[in-house]
Amino acid sequence: SQTIHQWPATLVQPVGSPLSLECTVEGTSNPNLYWYRQAAGRGLQLLFYSVGIGQISSEVPQNLSASRPQDRQFILSSKKLLLSDSGFYLCAWSYGRGGREQYFGPGTRLTVT
Amino acid sequence: SQKIEQNSEALNIQEGKTATLTCNYTNYSPAYLQWYRQDPGRGPVFLLLIRENEKEKRKERLKVTFDTTLKQSLFHITASQPADSATYLCAPDASGGSYIPTFGRGTSLIVHP
Repeated sequence: SQTIHQWPATLVQPVGSPLSLECTVEGTSNPNLYWYRQAAGRGLQLLFYSVGIGQISSEVPQNLSASRPQDRQFILSSKKLLLSDSGFYLCAWSYGRGGREQYFGPGTRLTVT
Repeated sequence: SQKIEQNSEALNIQEGKTATLTCNYTNYSPAYLQWYRQDPGRGPVFLLLIRENEKEKRKERLKVTFDTTLKQSLFHITASQPADSATYLCAPDASGGSYIPTFGRGTSLIVHP
C-alpha cells in the first residue's frame, strides 16, 4: 500500500530564516506530487505541482520554491520566511498520467514569528 | 474566473439523520468533481469522485450527485454518526481542462448524539 510522509510536523521559525519541508511517498512510482498551503479559516491553495523529477510548476508567485530531486521526494523551500508564510503545509500525491484523486500527508504546521 | 461556493456556516444535525452539504460552482464546467473529508489538524481524505455523465454515486452511507445544469453537487451522509463530524471539501477540476482539483473552503458538519 502507498504511504506519504511529511516532516517536521510542527515548526516555529523567525522571520528571515530559511525553510525546508520534506515529503516522501512510498509504494508507488512516477506519482504526481503537490504542495498546498492552508491558512487559518481558508481553503487549500495549490503552491506547486510536479509530474516528474526536476519538473516543477508554480501556481502562485511567492518567496517559496520547490524541488523534486528523486521520483518520490518533494521539497518545499524558502531562503527568507515572511510572516505571511505561516500556515498548514500539505503534501499530496496522485497517480501519474492524469490521476485526479489526491492522497494527502499529515501536514506541517509552520508558525513564522 | 471560476468560483466554488460551500456554505461557510456549520451544519448541525442529530445522530441518525441525513446530512446534506451543497457545493456550487460558477463560470466553468468541470468534467469531474471530488469530495474530501478533513479533520482538525489533519490532511484531507479522499471520499468520492463523480464524473459529469454520472448523475449519482454511492459509497456505503455516502451519496454524491452532480447536476451540470444547476452547476451544483450535493453530498449526503445517511444515518449520520458523531464520528462523521468533520469539514467536507468539494473539489471540482480546475478550469481549462486540468486534472488538478480546485478545493472549496469546506463546510463543517457537527453530528450531535
